[in-house]
Amino acid sequence: EPEVTQTPSHQVTQMGQEVILRCVPISNHLYFYWYRQILGQKVEFLVSFYNNEISEKSEIFDDQFSVERPDGSNFTLKIRSTKLEDSAMYFCASRRSGTENEKLFFGSGTQLSVL
Amino acid sequence: SQQGEEDPQALSIQEGENATMNCSYKTSINNLQWYRQNSGRGLVHLILIRSNEREKHSGRLRVTLDTSKKSSSLLITASRAADTASYFCATEQGAQKLVFGQGTRLTINP
Repeated sequence: EPEVTQTPSHQVTQMGQEVILRCVPISNHLYFYWYRQILGQKVEFLVSFYNNEISEKSEIFDDQFSVERPDGSNFTLKIRSTKLEDSAMYFCASRRSGTENEKLFFGSGTQLSVL
Repeated sequence: SQQGEEDPQALSIQEGENATMNCSYKTSINNLQWYRQNSGRGLVHLILIRSNEREKHSGRLRVTLDTSKKSSSLLITASRAADTASYFCATEQGAQKLVFGQGTRLTINP
């Protein structure tokens, strides 16, 4: 079964450093998402992306965050200057279309630790 | 606003028993989805129920939806140790935004 893949599985960085989290969505999917989950807490929406632009973003997704689809397969989340509170599990997700009855497919996540 | 709040936050039962988790939401919906998350893993879609449906079954899962009360429940019958996971409900907010609740941590004791 096709799956969303994320790399790396774990990322440790120093506060203030830039990080790039990588995702390869399912190949025929057109809508891409980033979510994050602080340990033991809810899964929070960050951003949705379609047709090479952001569709929606949350208040968490401030100027320190950016997303990009640099080629036909990768979808990246960049955090320019990491803060301690950015430590979380980051999940990429994709879905085939934007219709409301379509389910999301999630990757296994990247655990980001900011020291 | 908080959309999709699960109840209880944690549930521990014996293998073979039924597990019921509830979800409440605030705004009108077109559908409600349930996802499962094994520890440290991504979410996996379980079932989707449309706003014009009241009940839906998939294997040992039964989902109900009461739009008048803005609530849904997920029932897992004849639970197994492998059902141990966190379960989340999710609703669409806006054109491209699926919002998840806090989740219910389900533990099945052998």
